[in-house]
Amino acid sequence: DSGVTQTPKHLITATGQRVTLRCSPRSGDLSVYWYQQSLDQGLQFLIQYYNGEERAKGNILERFSAQQFPDLHSELNLSSLELGDSALYFCASSPQGGRVADTQYFGPGTRLTVL
Amino acid sequence: AQSVTQLGSHVSVSEGALVLLRCNYSSSVPPYLFWYVQYPNQGLQLLLKYTSAATLVKGINGFEAEFKKSETSFHLTKPSAHMSDAAEYFCAVSGNTDKLIFGTGTRLQVFP
Repeated sequence: DSGVTQTPKHLITATGQRVTLRCSPRSGDLSVYWYQQSLDQGLQFLIQYYNGEERAKGNILERFSAQQFPDLHSELNLSSLELGDSALYFCASSPQGGRVADTQYFGPGTRLTVL
Repeated sequence: AQSVTQLGSHVSVSEGALVLLRCNYSSSVPPYLFWYVQYPNQGLQLLLKYTSAATLVKGINGFEAEFKKSETSFHLTKPSAHMSDAAEYFCAVSGNTDKLIFGTGTRLQVFP
């Protein structure tokens, strides 16, 4: 158990819908990262937040957005869903942010299925 | 920019045999390198990381990896495979930012 929690574990929805994935980092960790794992794209970095502020952006679609709240939990919002958005979405956390050697601790993931 | 290439999407070994999973990296800055393991239906767990200290890095579960700058490699090895090692293994690199760039993964099968 990494200490990172993600809810829900599974999500099934229809095209065009909007969903919210939630992540609670390890106690004391300030940085939260979101990754997408799909069969065709592999594991890709989406976005990072550090202490409530956006720190880095990766291959995140404009239909996707995220935020980190004062209690440091984070939410990833996916809208106008398409079939290709079906994937496993991971959240990771690390103690700081910007320290490149920090270990990132991954949650168990949310499996999103878009029908 | 950074990238990693994992040679071999599937590797099969017998229990007790040497495990060798290959990873080559490309980085315009001194890299930090990581190996993560993903068991079925679980998240990723860090096995080991290279942070420019010792070039031979020992990790959990008997795994180790050696950073070879001349070969731009960071191969993962374990002297004797165990059935419980069956999983998917990901090599990752970071450089001047802390976002991880992952390879495509290698699925390790261990046969009795």
